[in-house]
Formats: sequence, C-alpha cells, structure tokens
Amino acid sequence: GENVEQHPSTLSVQEGDSAVIKCTYSDSASNYFPWYKQELGKRPQLIIDIRSNVGEKKDQRIAVTLNKTAKHFSLHITETQPEDSAVYFCAASSGGYQKVTFGTGTKLQVIP
Amino acid sequence: DAGVTQSPTHLIKTRGQQVTLRCSPKSGHDTVSWYQQALGQGPQFIFQYYEEEERQRGNFPDRFSGHQFPNYSSELNVNALLLGDSALYLCASSPEVGDGYEQYFGPGTRLTVT
Repeated sequence: GENVEQHPSTLSVQEGDSAVIKCTYSDSASNYFPWYKQELGKRPQLIIDIRSNVGEKKDQRIAVTLNKTAKHFSLHITETQPEDSAVYFCAASSGGYQKVTFGTGTKLQVIP
Repeated sequence: DAGVTQSPTHLIKTRGQQVTLRCSPKSGHDTVSWYQQALGQGPQFIFQYYEEEERQRGNFPDRFSGHQFPNYSSELNVNALLLGDSALYLCASSPEVGDGYEQYFGPGTRLTVT
C-alpha cells in the first residue's frame, strides 16, 4: 500500500519568513496530492491540492510543487502570519473516491 | 447549507464495550469515508461507503464495521473496545458530481476508552 513520509515534524519560523514542508510517497499510481491544515481541536481543512498532470500550483501565499519522477511533493508558505500556525498534513491518493493516505504531520509555529 | 456533521462530539467508553458513531454528509454528497486519528498522528483510513455498501477498506480489524443509510448518512461501529481505540474519529464526504477527489471532513468524535 501507499506510504507517505513527511518532514519536518516541527517547524518554527519568524513572521514574514517562508515555510517549506516536504513529503515523499511510495505508490507510483498516486495521482492526487492534497494538503490539509488542522488547527488544535478542529477538523482538517483542505488548503491546496495538486494532480499528477501538473508540476506546480499556487494560491496566494501557498504553493505546492510535485516531482513525479522523484515521488516528492512540497508545500511552500510565503510571508507567514501567526494564523498560519497549525498542523499541516500532506496526503496522497490513487484516484477519485480512492482512500487518502496521510503523512504524519508538521506542526508549524509562526513566531510574531 | 450544513457541512459534514458528526455525533456525538465526545464519548467515554469502557474497555470491552461497543460504540456507534454517526455522520451526516454535506448536502449533495453520496460517498462517506471514515478515518481514525490518534493523538499526534495523521488520519488513518478505516473504510468508505457508497450506495449503502462498503466500497473499500483500510487495515482495520473486523471489530470496526459500518453502515450507510439511503439518505447517505453513515454509522461507524466498534466492538470490544480496546484502550488503543482512543482517538478522534473523522468522517469525510465526497460529492456526487465531480471526479471524487475532494473530501470534506466533519468535526470528528473524540472517543476515550478507559
């Protein structure tokens, strides 16, 4: 089955700096890579996703890159703000309605 | 339009007991997936229901079972509870229209087994 590894497990950045979270996956059939933000005690919320036919996607301060050959994908947050502090999960799926395999999470702390 | 809802919010059970958790999908969604999220971990896929049948299953024992009703709502049942079953149980629904990639999570049920 699919295995998703995520690094780092914790990340502290100064407000205004950039944050990068990296993930690798094992199943070459995976073609959908969502990123979720989970604040303490709340549900995971989809913040951005990318499909395997695209190498990069950007939405305001958030961008995701995908390297299918290396089976790597990364989340980039620019101009970080204190409200970006949360746990971020990467995930992978092999298609519509297929199970989603999550990484172990990165706790991001943005220091004002 | 209500999003995905789950009940109860919190639950405390004793080892060996049975529990039923409930999920109502977002309007227009017909597929429901269940996940277990242990403290400090990512969600782990339990199973998915579509058209009242289990469509796929993760690596969970038969103590975990489910059901989907004609109105697309779903239940997760766990028998013979173990201490290790303590976790946040998340339900996610996917829309009828579309390619089935997007999942919308409910707020979860926090289960504590003592």
